[in-house]
Amino acid sequence: GNSVTQMEGPVTLSEEAFLTINCTYTATGYPSLFWYVQYPGEGLQLLLKATKADDKGSNKGFEATYRKETTSFHLEKGSVQVSDSAVYFCALNENRFSGGYNKLIFGAGTRLAVHP
Amino acid sequence: DSGVTQTPKHLITATGQRVTLRCSPRSGDLSVYWYQQSLDQGLQFLIQYYNGEERAKGNILERFSAQQFPDLHSELNLSSLELGDSALYFCASSVDEGGRAPQHFGDGTRLSIL
Repeated sequence: GNSVTQMEGPVTLSEEAFLTINCTYTATGYPSLFWYVQYPGEGLQLLLKATKADDKGSNKGFEATYRKETTSFHLEKGSVQVSDSAVYFCALNENRFSGGYNKLIFGAGTRLAVHP
Repeated sequence: DSGVTQTPKHLITATGQRVTLRCSPRSGDLSVYWYQQSLDQGLQFLIQYYNGEERAKGNILERFSAQQFPDLHSELNLSSLELGDSALYFCASSVDEGGRAPQHFGDGTRLSIL
């Protein structure tokens, strides 16, 4: 079945450091790929998404490119802030558009801690 | 604020009991999804409803059931509770059923089984 694997955390960085969180997937077909972020005590927020190969999703300085050849969707940010400290989840969807359904398959999550 | 409302925020109960978790989707959203987040299983899809109709099921236990009402709110019923059911249960909603629109998540209900 479809699955998502992401790097284990925690990832600890100093403010203004470069961030990479690796995510690879296994899927039949051509799923959309997502990064969600979970701040302490809150629900998941959609950070960015990409719907087809070579698409780049971006938001709030974060970027990820849908790489079909390496089945990857790595999350990057050039300069992290303390406020970026959270848990980041990579996900793909299993879906059918018409008369269909849509379920998200999540990775295990990667905790990011950014220190001043 | 995602616009998805889940109640209660916290629930503490004992093994063998039954609880109901409630979700109000964002205004205009027809799909409701339930997910379970636990330490050992991570985030897992449970079930999706679209406009009152069940559309997809994940690894949802037979002791768990859900429904979506005509006003589009949804309830997740968990019965014969076990210690392993302790988890954070998220509801999400989206405007469509097939994935063109993103899912928006509520803040979750934390269920603790004593």
